[in-house]
Amino acid sequence: ETGVTQTPRHLVMGMTNKKSLKCEQHLGHNAMYWYKQSAKKPLELMFVYSLEERVENNSVPSRFSPECPNSSHLFLHLHTLQPEDSALYLCASSQDFGRVSGANVLTFGAGSRLTVL
Amino acid sequence: GQQLNQSPQSMFIQEGEDVSMNCTSSSIFNTWLWYKQDPGEGPVLLIALYKAGELTSNGRLTAQFGITRKDSFLNISASIPSDVGIYFCAGYNNDMRFGAGTRLTVKP
Repeated sequence: ETGVTQTPRHLVMGMTNKKSLKCEQHLGHNAMYWYKQSAKKPLELMFVYSLEERVENNSVPSRFSPECPNSSHLFLHLHTLQPEDSALYLCASSQDFGRVSGANVLTFGAGSRLTVL
Repeated sequence: GQQLNQSPQSMFIQEGEDVSMNCTSSSIFNTWLWYKQDPGEGPVLLIALYKAGELTSNGRLTAQFGITRKDSFLNISASIPSDVGIYFCAGYNNDMRFGAGTRLTVKP
């Protein structure tokens, strides 16, 4: 496996369910990210982890809970979501975080398409 | 603020035509990036620009980092059907900001 792998690719859940999205990167990168992508809107940064420490949390509702157990894995735990949370959730990684150089270039996974009923 | 204004929102062109899209901001960025997203996939990096005035090509793609550091453009020459997708600009200055995308449709 190479690059950034996300599972599941598609997820349908009810508002009372608890589910998790998983991301794994095989690039040896030190930073990992969760983005939300809604139609016709810019990508919205949700969370950033650098060397397994959370470094940014952009006012994301607490029904989204990230977890980074090691530098290669990132999870997004979902509970009591709302229909407006339906979107494509993209995981990304970069060599480093916060440096002005090629080290901040993001490599994205294919995304997890979430539908909340 | 650091919002990126990307235009046009969408383009419908004939195969073989050239394409031009751009991104502007009221803020200065230290890095400009262009990504392409195919249907059902994540964005893939096309070109990265690190210096004001830099002009970089990648096959039929050419991108430039504006002199003012507040804008960038992407040109695609002699478009082909597989150029279809959404093109995103991104600017980096402490964090990465994205444009809303340009949706390109190429008619054979």
